[in-house]
Amino acid sequence: DMKVTQMPRYLIKRMGENVLLECGQDMSHETMYWYRQDPGLGLQLIYISYDVDSNSEGDIPKGYRVSRKKREHFSLILDSAKTNQTSVYFCASTRDWGTYEQYFGPGTRLTVL
Amino acid sequence: GEKVEQHESTLSVREGDSAVINCTYTDTASSYFPWYKQEAGKSLHFVIDIRSNVDRKQSQRLIVLLDKKAKRFSLHITATQPEDSAIYFCAASNSNNRIFFGDGTQLVVKP
Repeated sequence: DMKVTQMPRYLIKRMGENVLLECGQDMSHETMYWYRQDPGLGLQLIYISYDVDSNSEGDIPKGYRVSRKKREHFSLILDSAKTNQTSVYFCASTRDWGTYEQYFGPGTRLTVL
Repeated sequence: GEKVEQHESTLSVREGDSAVINCTYTDTASSYFPWYKQEAGKSLHFVIDIRSNVDRKQSQRLIVLLDKKAKRFSLHITATQPEDSAIYFCAASNSNNRIFFGDGTQLVVKP
């Protein structure tokens, strides 16, 4: 069953706290992504990972970092969360280099107070 | 870099009518054009794609047209149903690991 999972689904944090969002996929996809979605702004790419320990900044990497130690797991870390990082975060994966469909996780709704 | 624009931010149609969502792109190297659907409060899922070696593709009630000369592609949904109501995102990729999304079109199908 081809699936992308995200944990947690909902998270409330205070400004300055650290945040860890986790993503998993069971398709052995090399490429994984982290996006955020804000109302009226579509999807913004935060980071891309091409495989284990091979990560690249997307369009809005500031304030975020990522970790990929296993092909099936990709983590997004917010060190000292800010209120403007309140958003819905989506993880996605795809085979090859983006010329195949992306499979999206269910999303994590993060609120930073 | 690539920029994908969706021309309709919202689109309202009557059930049974056709809906057309138009997108343009800027990078002539783009060769893969997928469409994604996002229902209210849910995640995105893939619906259909087209590659640059063809100019038309159909999957049941969905038709995608690609005009490479005009750098334009469109999603046609025929015989719309209430469950077609969602946000639709077009995207473009040049096989260089990035996919660029449009800002989405909210489609409302009225009974």
